[in-house]
Amino acid sequence: DIQMTQSPSTVSASVGDRVTITCRASQSISSWLAWYQQKPGKAPKLLIYRASTLESGVPSRFSGSGSGTEFTLTISSLQPDDSATYYCQKFNGYPTFGQGTKVEIK
Amino acid sequence: QVQLVQSGAEVKKPGASVKVSCKASGYTFTAHYIHWLRQAPGQGLEWMGWMNPNSGDTNYAQNFQGRVTMTRDTSISTAYMELNRLRSDDTSVYYCARDRWSTVITYAFDMWGQGTMVTVSS
Repeated sequence: DIQMTQSPSTVSASVGDRVTITCRASQSISSWLAWYQQKPGKAPKLLIYRASTLESGVPSRFSGSGSGTEFTLTISSLQPDDSATYYCQKFNGYPTFGQGTKVEIK
Repeated sequence: QVQLVQSGAEVKKPGASVKVSCKASGYTFTAHYIHWLRQAPGQGLEWMGWMNPNSGDTNYAQNFQGRVTMTRDTSISTAYMELNRLRSDDTSVYYCARDRWSTVITYAFDMWGQGTMVTVSS
């Protein structure tokens, strides 16, 4: 089974900072990667699919990149509303999620 | 608007069964696969399986085969997930989610229900 590993587990940054989260797959998944945002007590929200395509309605400060085994989610200018846990997910075949990265506002 | 609305929280005893519903609105129910996922308290997301609302076909994750059944009632645009022989480690929030593209299965989830908390406790 393909494993998805995210780093860091937690990131604390100030409003306006650039934040980068990394997701690594245990074997190549081409560009079959999605990113989700989950706030406490809420369902996840799809942000990005196919590694870099922004879902409709998602602010342009979010971007994704990568292919193969290494991927990144970048928030170009952190906003208070971005405080959440972010998950990567492979979606070629049965889905597997990373363990999540919690983004905190300093 | 497009939404999935799930049934309310449940408390069950070990060995019992639970059936969670997921009512779709704002789109053609039979056009998108429905998936079920769960999230234990403070933990990550686990995929349980999918159902094709058009045909009724299902595919379950290995961890749940033999214990889970996914069905639908197209007349009321509602999907169901039943989990049997509940254990304490089944305590989780259960989500239904829509596959992003119509008529094909991609495992990218663009719409989620609000979640149903299932607590298994003696």
